[in-house]
Amino acid sequence: ETGVTQTPRHLVMGMTNKKSLKCEQHLGHNAMYWYKQSAKKPLELMFVYNFKEQTENNSVPSRFSPECPNSSHLFLHLHTLQPEDSALYLCASNERWDSTEAFFGQGTRLTVV
Amino acid sequence: AQKITQTQPGMFVQEKEAVTLDCTYDTSDPSYGLFWYKQPSSGEMIFLIYQGSYDQQNATEGRYSLNFQKARKSANLVISASQLGDSAMYFCAMREVVKAAGNKLTFGGGTRVLVKP
Repeated sequence: ETGVTQTPRHLVMGMTNKKSLKCEQHLGHNAMYWYKQSAKKPLELMFVYNFKEQTENNSVPSRFSPECPNSSHLFLHLHTLQPEDSALYLCASNERWDSTEAFFGQGTRLTVV
Repeated sequence: AQKITQTQPGMFVQEKEAVTLDCTYDTSDPSYGLFWYKQPSSGEMIFLIYQGSYDQQNATEGRYSLNFQKARKSANLVISASQLGDSAMYFCAMREVVKAAGNKLTFGGGTRVLVKP
């Protein structure tokens, strides 16, 4: 248990659906991240939020829309996804932008049908 | 651009024996950090060990040690006295610290370790 909670753990959605992934931490961390882990590719950084401000968008398609309403919560809004977007989506946080250790959630296993 | 290479897609290790997982990296940044994470079947990434590029000594954390050879750009993980619970995917990662923008971790492809009783 790392203190970073992701919901749902599993999600199946159609290409025309809209869904949201949620990440929550009450560790007092100020930096939060979304990563994508596909079956045959290394983990890829998607977004970075630092003190609720988005500081990094790693060329992510606009069908993925992040939201960080406060330092404890991070969302990833999904719409009109493609089957190749099926992956494990991992949220991470750390205390500040230069902290050594990042704490990861258990991920949301997303399947797009 | 940073790059991490893990050349061992999978390996078996006998319980109670030591195992070395290979990791090589490439970066032009003089300051960087190297990490190892464990990912069990449950999915979360568990931080194991960290080595800073300016650290003089190899990092150790319990049964984990990092064999850092800066000139060769390698950061191999050694797990001593393997346990059945060590069966998992292991990822090497490198950190690029972009001021005020946060940590950016670049991950290798991972090595799957299976500990045999």
